[in-house]
Amino acid sequence: EIVLTQSPATLSLSPGERATLSCRASQSVSSYLAWYQQKPGQAPRLLIYDASNRATGIPARFSGSGSGTDFTLTISSLEPEDFAVYYCQQRSNWPPGTFGQGTKLEIK
Amino acid sequence: EVQLVETGGGLIQPGGSLRLSCAASGFTVSSNYMSWVRQAPGKGLEWVSVIYSGGSTYYADSVKGRFTISRDNSKNTLYLQMNSLRAEDTAVYYCASLRRGYMDVWGKGTTVTVSS
Repeated sequence: EIVLTQSPATLSLSPGERATLSCRASQSVSSYLAWYQQKPGQAPRLLIYDASNRATGIPARFSGSGSGTDFTLTISSLEPEDFAVYYCQQRSNWPPGTFGQGTKLEIK
Repeated sequence: EVQLVETGGGLIQPGGSLRLSCAASGFTVSSNYMSWVRQAPGKGLEWVSVIYSGGSTYYADSVKGRFTISRDNSKNTLYLQMNSLRAEDTAVYYCASLRRGYMDVWGKGTTVTVSS
């Protein structure tokens, strides 16, 4: 089973700053990686699929990069509504569709 | 509008059974890959099960042999039959449809609490 490790566990930033979140896979997943955003009390929302493609309706300030085992989600300029928990998920070795443990993005 | 609505959660004693439902609108369940994902209180996301459009089913090791995913095409509804429930099955259960292997539409979730 592929293990996804996200870092950092918590990221404290201010609105307007740039956020960089990392996801590392225990073996190559090619570009088959997604990012999800989850706000308290809500279901997750798909942000990025296949490492770098924005899902429908996702603002351009969200971007994804990487391939193989190292991936990054970048939020270019944080808006107040971006503070949430972010998860990565791989579909290279599916099933199971493993998730990372999450990165909490909090207001500094 | 594409929508998924889960129902069937509740409080159940250890060893008991529960069936979750996920009613879809705006698309056809049988034409899509559909999954269940759960989230224990204060924890991350855990994939539980998937049913392919062709009918193949897969499960996480943690629920294999106890949970069964199925669908009713006439009702456009996905199900998760959960037997031999344990305290560690306590979670919010989400259903989701998949596109390109990723979960692009999610329901709001239903809460399952396993406790005596």
